[in-house]
Amino acid sequence: EPEVTQTPSHQVTQMGQEVILRCVPISNHLYFYWYRQILGQKVEFLVSFYNNEISEKSEIFDDQFSVERPDGSNFTLKIRSTKLEDSAMYFCASSGGSTGSGEQYFGPGTRLTVT
Amino acid sequence: AQSVTQLDSQVPVFEEAPVELRCNYSSSVSVYLFWYVQYPNQGLQLLLKYLSGSTLVKGINGFEAEFNKSQTSFHLRKPSVHISDTAEYFCAVGRVRNFNKFYFGSGTKLNVKP
Repeated sequence: EPEVTQTPSHQVTQMGQEVILRCVPISNHLYFYWYRQILGQKVEFLVSFYNNEISEKSEIFDDQFSVERPDGSNFTLKIRSTKLEDSAMYFCASSGGSTGSGEQYFGPGTRLTVT
Repeated sequence: AQSVTQLDSQVPVFEEAPVELRCNYSSSVSVYLFWYVQYPNQGLQLLLKYLSGSTLVKGINGFEAEFNKSQTSFHLRKPSVHISDTAEYFCAVGRVRNFNKFYFGSGTKLNVKP
C-alpha cells in the first residue's frame, strides 16, 4: 500500500539554525499538508499546498516557515531560524488523488528538537 | 470554523471490556469525520472515516464509530479491547469538498490493563 514517508525521523538543531524537513507524499495525490504536535498537545494544522502554491496557512505559519515542492515528488518544510518553541513532531500528509475523498494520509513524522 | 472536543483525556479499561471514546464536533458546514490512532513514538494511522451514507462505520482492528448529526457526535467504540489497543486516539474533522486543514481533538489516551 502506498504511504507517505518523511526524513529524517529525528532532527536535533541549535536555536537560530535553519532546518529542512522532507516528505514524499503518495504519488498521485494533489494536496499536501504540514501539521505539528508539540509534546502532549493536540495536532495543529500549519499549511496546505496545492497546485504549487499555499492554499491555506495557520497563524503559526509565520515568515520563518516556508514550503516547497522542488522536484515533483518531495515536499519540504523549511524553518529559517529555529526557536526553542519549534520543538515538536512535524507530520506531513497528502490527500486527493483523482477521486479524492478528503482523507489525509499521514507520514510517520519528524521529531524536531531545538536546543 | 470547526472545532473538535474529546471529552476524556484518559480512559483506563481492562482487557476484553468494551470501550467508548467520545468525540463531539462543531461546524457550520458539512464535514467529514475521522478517527486516527497514534501508537507510542509513531505517526497517525487512520482507523475509520465517515464521508456519507450509513451512520455506522467500521474500521480496522475491530473499531466502529457512529455519526450522530443531531448530537454532532462521532463516538468510537470497540466491544472487546486488547492490550495492543493501548494508544492515543484522535478525532478529526475536515470540510466536505475542501481539501484543506483538518481540525483535531486533543486526543484520548486509552490504557488497556490486563
